[in-house]
Amino acid sequence: QVQLQESGPGLVKPSETLSLTCTVSGDSISTYYWSWIRQPPEKGLEWIGYIYYTGSTNYNPSLKSRVTISVDTSKNRFSLRLSSVTAADTAVYYCARRAGDAFDVWGQGTMVTVSS
Amino acid sequence: SYELTQPPSVSVSPGQTASITCSGDKLGDKYACWYQQKPGQSPVLVIYQDSKRPSGIPERFSGSNSGSTATLTISGTQAMDEADYYCQAWESGTAEFGGGTKLTVL
Repeated sequence: QVQLQESGPGLVKPSETLSLTCTVSGDSISTYYWSWIRQPPEKGLEWIGYIYYTGSTNYNPSLKSRVTISVDTSKNRFSLRLSSVTAADTAVYYCARRAGDAFDVWGQGTMVTVSS
Repeated sequence: SYELTQPPSVSVSPGQTASITCSGDKLGDKYACWYQQKPGQSPVLVIYQDSKRPSGIPERFSGSNSGSTATLTISGTQAMDEADYYCQAWESGTAEFGGGTKLTVL
């Protein structure tokens, strides 16, 4: 049974870079596409981007200038970096597996607060 | 950007049928998915490719997609179905989510 686990700091200062990692267990990262999705408090879901094990990526145009998603196949994990964060980036960040057109497996999510 | 529009809230009595809509330009030409999210939990995929149910999702969940509207239907709604529901589709390589619909079972 595939499981995803997000990890990283829960507090980031404004203007700094948010960094999260998603570790995949029960499946090889060298299949499927892998995504980051976030949800601000009391708001809806926002797709951030995805990566394939080859390193091919695609990002939400609204975040593209600040986002980098990378993959480490040797450790079966992928990562998110979001630069120049502001309070608007405060959210629960989820990693998810993309199977076809759907996100069929999600991590438990990790809350990231942007505050000084 | 591509927008998917959902009603903010839908109410249904237990045992009745709930329908949640998702509207977008030519949405019927794309695949629509639906996710259920309960408070404090991660979203769960309940419908993919317009009308297919993942393993473990009850048969009372069904979906359709035509024209500009996708619909999630819950037949014989149960109290446990009370949750937020999000539709999702792809447009030009970008995943878009609807704003979400809060389903209240009362």
